[in-house]
Amino acid sequence: NAGVTQTPKFRVLKTGQSMTLLCAQDMNHEYMYWYRQDPGMGLRLIHYSVGEGTTAKGEVPDGYNVSRLKKQNFLLGLESAAPSQTSVYFCASSYLRQGDEQYFGPGTRLTVT
Amino acid sequence: GENVEQHPSTLSVQEGDSAVIKCTYSDSASNYFPWYKQELGKGPQLIIDIRSNVGEKKDQRIAVTLNKTAKHFSLHITETQPEDSAVYFCAAGRLEYGNKLVFGAGTILRVKS
Repeated sequence: NAGVTQTPKFRVLKTGQSMTLLCAQDMNHEYMYWYRQDPGMGLRLIHYSVGEGTTAKGEVPDGYNVSRLKKQNFLLGLESAAPSQTSVYFCASSYLRQGDEQYFGPGTRLTVT
Repeated sequence: GENVEQHPSTLSVQEGDSAVIKCTYSDSASNYFPWYKQELGKGPQLIIDIRSNVGEKKDQRIAVTLNKTAKHFSLHITETQPEDSAVYFCAAGRLEYGNKLVFGAGTILRVKS
């Protein structure tokens, strides 16, 4: 099993450009999450999904959109990138059972100039 | 909403010594407290967790304690080894809320050999 994979690993955008980050998991997990990690701030939840076709906002959703059209994929979109969105983005997934471990992907480092 | 504070931000210990990282949370309804370890260039990985109906949990050299009254929990690593060097994150959440977590800012642990 590959676990949780993220595409791309690195990306540089100019202000105003758009892009989509792809997260895929092969563990048949119901829940999926998108976090951003900034120095000194830990991980902050952007959006999450409790199942195919459902999404919900996390702590810092502004400027991002998500879609979960297939159970194994969770997409994070930036419609008009801003320098404040420079960060490392992590996707995670977990089973439906309460308290089950979140499995994290390797991250995407995004720089917006 | 929940707020998690983590201390210290950096911790250096000699190989073989113990390391303690402390976290406090604000939401008395939180009932799930995991700890994640993040190695350089990788996503976080769960190392131990505790639920609010338990005061202490051990797994080999790692232990976690929880004080619900004071709303704080701690990670204890005994007989530290160089491979314990990493960033450690505490988190808090409510099991019934889609396994959503709020993370602390992280502690950089350096084990000197």
